[in-house]
Amino acid sequence: DAGVIQSPRHEVTEMGQEVTLRCKPISGHDYLFWYRQTMMRGLELLIYFNNNVPIDDSGMPEDRFSAKMPNASFSTLKIQPSEPRDSAVYFCASSPAAAFYSNQPQHFGDGTRLSIL
Amino acid sequence: GDSVTQMEGPVTLSEEAFLTINCTYTATGYPSLFWYVQYPGEGLQLLLKATKADDKGSNKGFEATYRKETTSFHLEKGSVQVSDSAVYFCALTLSGSARQLTFGSGTQLTVLP
Repeated sequence: DAGVIQSPRHEVTEMGQEVTLRCKPISGHDYLFWYRQTMMRGLELLIYFNNNVPIDDSGMPEDRFSAKMPNASFSTLKIQPSEPRDSAVYFCASSPAAAFYSNQPQHFGDGTRLSIL
Repeated sequence: GDSVTQMEGPVTLSEEAFLTINCTYTATGYPSLFWYVQYPGEGLQLLLKATKADDKGSNKGFEATYRKETTSFHLEKGSVQVSDSAVYFCALTLSGSARQLTFGSGTQLTVLP
């Protein structure tokens, strides 16, 4: 089984540019999560979707960040305009259906390492 | 709110040493508990889990027991290997919740040959 697939693995760009991170969740998983990982703040949940619908975006740091899930097999996280403080590793994760079966774990992608110069 | 507290790292051990990484939690309901491991340059992988009190999760020689009375889920391994060097995250999620994981801050483990 293919796991969660993220692209690109690395992204280096100049501040002010638009950045788009992509995620393909595991087939059949109804939940998709976007996280950001930094040394200072650890792992932060940015937003999550259920059946392609955004449920909680309270972790999105600013209006410069936006996320979409146009279908069950694809999601994007966009930063526009990007700033150096956005530099981090961004992870996507997915998990199976049935919200109250909370013992089902999230499956993580390998992340996108983003550097904004 | 719900939270997870892990012992601070980094932790450095010699090969074959005994490992304990402490984890305690605060939750309003009855959480499921997880340990995730992150190897360098990779995403988080589920290491083990426990879904109710007194359950013991185990995998790859690692164990953790869900202790409701002490609200703890400490990770242990009897004999670590160099290949166990990674960052370990304790996490919880609540039954009936919308599947959100609450993570601890992570503990960096380095095992020296």
